[in-house]
Amino acid sequence: SQKIEQNSEALNIQEGKTATLTCNYTNYSPAYLQWYRQDPGRGPVFLLLIRENEKEKRKERLKVTFDTTLKQSLFHITASQPADSATYLCALDESGGSYIPTFGRGTSLIVHP
Amino acid sequence: KAGVTQTPRYLIKTRGQQVTLSCSPISGHRSVSWYQQTPGQGLQFLFEYFSETQRNKGNFPGRFSGRQFSNSRSEMNVSTLELGDSALYLCASSFASQTGVSETQYFGPGTRLLVL
Repeated sequence: SQKIEQNSEALNIQEGKTATLTCNYTNYSPAYLQWYRQDPGRGPVFLLLIRENEKEKRKERLKVTFDTTLKQSLFHITASQPADSATYLCALDESGGSYIPTFGRGTSLIVHP
Repeated sequence: KAGVTQTPRYLIKTRGQQVTLSCSPISGHRSVSWYQQTPGQGLQFLFEYFSETQRNKGNFPGRFSGRQFSNSRSEMNVSTLELGDSALYLCASSFASQTGVSETQYFGPGTRLLVL
């Protein structure tokens, strides 16, 4: 069966360090993968999109890698700040013809000052 | 540009009742998707509407239905509410082309539904 796995345990790191979150998937052939941030009681906010033919994408302190062989995406936040504390969701779309995204359950990131 | 708006923000209902939630997408966005989010199941896709037509549907029972109006505003309805329907219901809009390629979903703040 198809699965998207994100670490259910919260990731605790110190301010200034690099946070790395993982998204693994099985039985998908994603056309692209997205990362979203969600704060408590609010809707997810789009952060980055990476296509299947791209290895890496950057935006300010954020970096996403996409390894279709390993079936894994890594999401990095460099120089993390307490304001980065949130839940981060990955989402896959494999159809290419219509957008039916499948979301992982997300990983909670807590950045300690 | 104004973001996606959802009304109401909070709702308390009892089992057996029905509920209608409303979503106004970002101006110019023609695709509206609905999601259910619970701690146990995460974010689950309900359905997507484009140009007043349901284009995609998730794996939810027929008690969950929706519609889209000519101005792209959308409503979803849940009939015969069950305790398990308690969740955060999120609406997202995107500028989807006719072929269905939509790359970024813009989410509203959600409607938190509690069924007693």
